[in-house]
Amino acid sequence: GAVVSQHPSRVICKSGTSVKIECRSLDFQATTMFWYRQFPKQSLMLMATSNEGSKATYEQGVEKDKFLINHASLTLSTLTVTSAHPEDSSFYICSARPGTGVSEQYFGPGTRLTVT
Amino acid sequence: DAKTTQPPSMDCAEGRAANLPCNHSTISGNEYVYWYRQIHSQGPQYIIHGLKNNETNEMASLIITEDRKSSTLILPHATLRDTAVYYCIVRFYTGTASKLTFGTGTRLQVTL
Repeated sequence: GAVVSQHPSRVICKSGTSVKIECRSLDFQATTMFWYRQFPKQSLMLMATSNEGSKATYEQGVEKDKFLINHASLTLSTLTVTSAHPEDSSFYICSARPGTGVSEQYFGPGTRLTVT
Repeated sequence: DAKTTQPPSMDCAEGRAANLPCNHSTISGNEYVYWYRQIHSQGPQYIIHGLKNNETNEMASLIITEDRKSSTLILPHATLRDTAVYYCIVRFYTGTASKLTFGTGTRLQVTL
């Protein structure tokens, strides 16, 4: 149990375009979802936290207008990278937690974004 | 959340126990110690967590010192598939503020 999927696993897009990444909790309802970014040879950096039905909370330095997060249902959150640039190329990982009263947090397999 | 300090890298022979240390000297009484690992180009995988008692599961053991300022993750019989970056994280157990903040971790290389 406790499986989190991401789609797509890899995506290549041209500079200036937008790309959407989906994160789904397959066998549980995720009250809270998290989005991380990881550059090569670096650790995961938390970008934002989203609760179902409410606006996401972004970490300091993360542009909310560039990284649009929608957590419209208890099993789906999306991250849209708008007007992508080569420096947005990174490994994006989502994570989901079943509830605020629950400690466990499960991670997706990640999405490799390359902006050309 | 309290910060942690881990050695950047460690080597371990296959079949031997891998002991990964973590310092968290500023941990508060309500913060738990969590361990995750990340195999190359994959999402992090939960290993184990604890508050103050030693914990064991099918993957590993977690030894927390009595003053809770440090801990050790033990992989009893390391295999090549255990080669990964291991992250020690301290955080509150629940609540909207209990997010996982990753440090630099320890890169464990298991060799033949």
